[in-house]
Amino acid sequence: GDSVTQMEGPVTLSEEAFLTINCTYTATGYPSLFWYVQYPGEGLQLLLKATKADDKGSNKGFEATYRKETTSFHLEKGSVQVSDSAVYFCALSGVNDYKLSFGAGTTVTVRA
Amino acid sequence: DTAVSQTPKYLVTQMGNDKSIKCEQNLGHDTMYWYKQDSKKFLKIMFSYNNKELIINETVPNRFSPKSPDKAHLNLHINSLELGDSAVYFCASSSHGSPLHFGNGTRLTVT
Repeated sequence: GDSVTQMEGPVTLSEEAFLTINCTYTATGYPSLFWYVQYPGEGLQLLLKATKADDKGSNKGFEATYRKETTSFHLEKGSVQVSDSAVYFCALSGVNDYKLSFGAGTTVTVRA
Repeated sequence: DTAVSQTPKYLVTQMGNDKSIKCEQNLGHDTMYWYKQDSKKFLKIMFSYNNKELIINETVPNRFSPKSPDKAHLNLHINSLELGDSAVYFCASSSHGSPLHFGNGTRLTVT
């Protein structure tokens, strides 16, 4: 079945550092790919998405590119802030699926 | 104007009790979900309803029973609560092809 594997955390960074969270997937066909973010005490929010190969999703300084050749959707941000401290989830949705399959989540802590 | 709202936010109860969590969405979506998040933040889908019809029923104890009275509501009833049921339960909604919108979660603690 479809699955997502993402980099284990926790990740601790200083402000203005570069952030990368790796995500790879296994799926049949051409799934849609997502990054969700969960701030402390809140639900998950969609951060960005990509629906086909070579698409780049971007939002709030975060970017991720759908790479079919490497089945990856790595999340990057060039300069993190304390407010980026959260849990980040990579997820995929199959072509005819009604559900999202989530990775295990990566906890990111940014220190001032 | 909350899009997906679930109540209660916190629920503390004793083993053996029966409890319900309610969820409502005002986005006009036709599909609703329940996810369980454990203490390690791992998210697992439990159920999904599309237009009030159950379409996803993962391996969940039959003590858990979802009820969808209409497209905008999906409630979760749990019988004979156990310690292992302690988790954060998230409701979500979507329309086919759109991303999921999540509620803020219900933290269930079973003592």
